[in-house]
Amino acid sequence: AQTVTQSQPEMSVQEAETVTLSCTYDTSESDYYLFWYKQPPSRQMILVIRQEAYKQQNATENRFSVNFQKAAKSFSLKISDSQLGDAAMYFCAYRYGGSQGNLIFGKGTKLSVKP
Amino acid sequence: NAGVTQTPKFQVLKTGQSMTLQCAQDMNHEYMSWYRQDPGMGLRLIHYSVGAGITDQGEVPNGYNVSRSTTEDFPLRLLSAAPSQTSVYFCASSAFERGGPADTQYFGPGTRLTVL
Repeated sequence: AQTVTQSQPEMSVQEAETVTLSCTYDTSESDYYLFWYKQPPSRQMILVIRQEAYKQQNATENRFSVNFQKAAKSFSLKISDSQLGDAAMYFCAYRYGGSQGNLIFGKGTKLSVKP
Repeated sequence: NAGVTQTPKFQVLKTGQSMTLQCAQDMNHEYMSWYRQDPGMGLRLIHYSVGAGITDQGEVPNGYNVSRSTTEDFPLRLLSAAPSQTSVYFCASSAFERGGPADTQYFGPGTRLTVL
């Protein structure tokens, strides 16, 4: 069975600094997708970034980038120039690339941003 | 385009009561799903549907029922509420093409349910 592990329950970063959130996963599949979702206090789940496993190039969305290491089954999120609005719970998620496509989530990392 | 909507936003039930959480999407998405979020547990899949008339169980289906009579709606029914079902419930949808690339899931705003 696929699993997703986020080993950092809480992280803290100074405003304007860079922080990296860790995520590892376990799967025997070769075709899959990985996501980072942000959940601010409003509770809304917001997609931050997505990575297709068949793509070697790491995904980037403005200040957010990932370090995807397929052989190591690692998918970390780097937030550059951290802003107060980045404070939230961050969830790493895995989705099988086949016809079912259900999401499997990690337990989340709570990110605090200090002014 | 409202995206994914959920009603109600908050609900308090007594043990043994039944109720239906509503979920609707206006993006013509084939795939819809229900998750529950508990403290320290992330989100766990309850039920999902890959199209009208087709539903299947997820990781934690016990105590919940679903049906999918239309593409737009995917209600979640609690048959006899228990305190263990106190949670935040999220509905999500995505475009879906069997055998095609998995698309991004879009989430509703969530329903906070308390069972006394």
